Amino acid sequence: AQKITQTQPGMFVQEKEAVTLDCTYDTSDPSYGLFWYKQPSSGEMIFLIYQGSYDQQNATEGRYSLNFQKARKSANLVISASQLGDSAMYFCAMREEARNQFYFGTGTSLTVIP
Amino acid sequence: EPEVTQTPSHQVTQMGQEVILRCVPISNHLYFYWYRQILGQKVEFLVSFYNNEISEKSEIFDDQFSVERPDGSNFTLKIRSTKLEDSAMYFCASTRRGAPPYEQYFGPGTRLTVT
Repeated sequence: AQKITQTQPGMFVQEKEAVTLDCTYDTSDPSYGLFWYKQPSSGEMIFLIYQGSYDQQNATEGRYSLNFQKARKSANLVISASQLGDSAMYFCAMREEARNQFYFGTGTSLTVIP
Repeated sequence: EPEVTQTPSHQVTQMGQEVILRCVPISNHLYFYWYRQILGQKVEFLVSFYNNEISEKSEIFDDQFSVERPDGSNFTLKIRSTKLEDSAMYFCASTRRGAPPYEQYFGPGTRLTVT
């Protein structure tokens, strides 16, 4: 079974609008971390946001927030007020506490339309 | 701001040759990782390294692969006998500590082309 599933290969959003990128995960480890990374066309991987499995509140970092629904095993990324520079590939990832290993999803390509 | 560096940025090699990809993690980081990304595909974990030994490795990381931290700064990935399917972008990453948020800093990657 896939550890991380991203079902949206491509998404479009109007500039200044909000967009939600979906991510579901699969683990039996009670302690884990969820991450989102941005990969622009230049290729580098940029850390965006982290959510711990025991965190009571959803993580937020500026215009990024993580909609964490533990019972549904989902960790969707919400980008508010989209900017043209947000156009990139976005990867969801997970780290299980028991293992020093990160699992990545297949990514979602986001295009922001002016 | 400190950053992870990788050399070379692009490596072209012939099938069957050995390659060594080099990484210099951020100086006070303790945990190191190698990933690969075949063009247009997802990022795949290869190996994690802590305290001078491998802590986890994926099924991709077979006997053809090895990692080493030969001195206090470099972290290398060696592929002994390259195959065509090893062509990919290889990313090195490091984290400062083994506690949340485990924020990984990635290097810019080395594009390996096996011909």
